[in-house]
Amino acid sequence: GIQVEQSPPDLILQEGANSTLRCNFSDSVNNLQWFHQNPWGQLINLFYIPSGTKQNGRLSATTVATERYSLLYISSSQTTDSGVYFCAVLNTGGFKTIFGAGTRLFVKA
Amino acid sequence: DAGITQSPRHKVTETGTPVTLRCHQTENHRYMYWYRQDPGHGLRLIHYSYGVKDTDKGEVSDGYSVSRSKTEDFLLTLESATSSQTSVYFCAIRTEGGTGELFFGEGSRLTVL
Repeated sequence: GIQVEQSPPDLILQEGANSTLRCNFSDSVNNLQWFHQNPWGQLINLFYIPSGTKQNGRLSATTVATERYSLLYISSSQTTDSGVYFCAVLNTGGFKTIFGAGTRLFVKA
Repeated sequence: DAGITQSPRHKVTETGTPVTLRCHQTENHRYMYWYRQDPGHGLRLIHYSYGVKDTDKGEVSDGYSVSRSKTEDFLLTLESATSSQTSVYFCAIRTEGGTGELFFGEGSRLTVL
C-alpha cells in the first residue's frame, strides 16, 4: 500500500520562528490533507490540498503531486501551534485515507 | 463541525469482555472510518464503510468487527478485549463531491485492564 513519511519527527521552536514540515508519499493520490492534533487530542482540519498552494493566516501548504510531496509552512509560530501535525492521503482509486506518523511541534514562549 | 458524535468517550474494561464503540453522524455521509491512535504509530485504519452494510478491512482489523445497519451509525466491536487494544479510537467521515475531506469525531479512550 501507499507509504506516507513525515519529517522532521520532532521540532522545537522559539515563539515567532518559522518552520517547514514535509510529507512524502509513495504513490499517486486523489487528495491530501494536513491536520493539527492539539494537546487535548482534537484533530483539526488545516488544509485539503491535492495539488497547488493554499494559505490560511500564518499557515500555508504546497503540494507537488508529480514529485509526491507536500510542505506545510508555519510562520511567526505561537505557543498555540504546539501539537502534532499529520499528513494524510487518499490513494488513487481507493477508499482508504492513510496517515503519516506525524511531526510533533513544541513552541516555547 | 461535521456532526460526528462518539460514545462512550471514555471506557475502562477488563480483558475478555466485549466492547462496542458507537459513531453517529447527522449529515448522511456515505463513507465512515474507524482509526486507532497509539504512541509512535500515528493513526491506523481499522475498518471503513462505504455504505449501509458495506464495510471493509483496514491496516489493523484483527480483533475488531464493524457493523453499519443505518447510514448514520457505524459501530466498532471488540468481541473479547485485550490489553493491546488499549488505545484512543477515532471515528471519521469523508465528504463526497469535489473535496472528499476527512473529518474526525472527538475520540474514545479505551483502557483494557
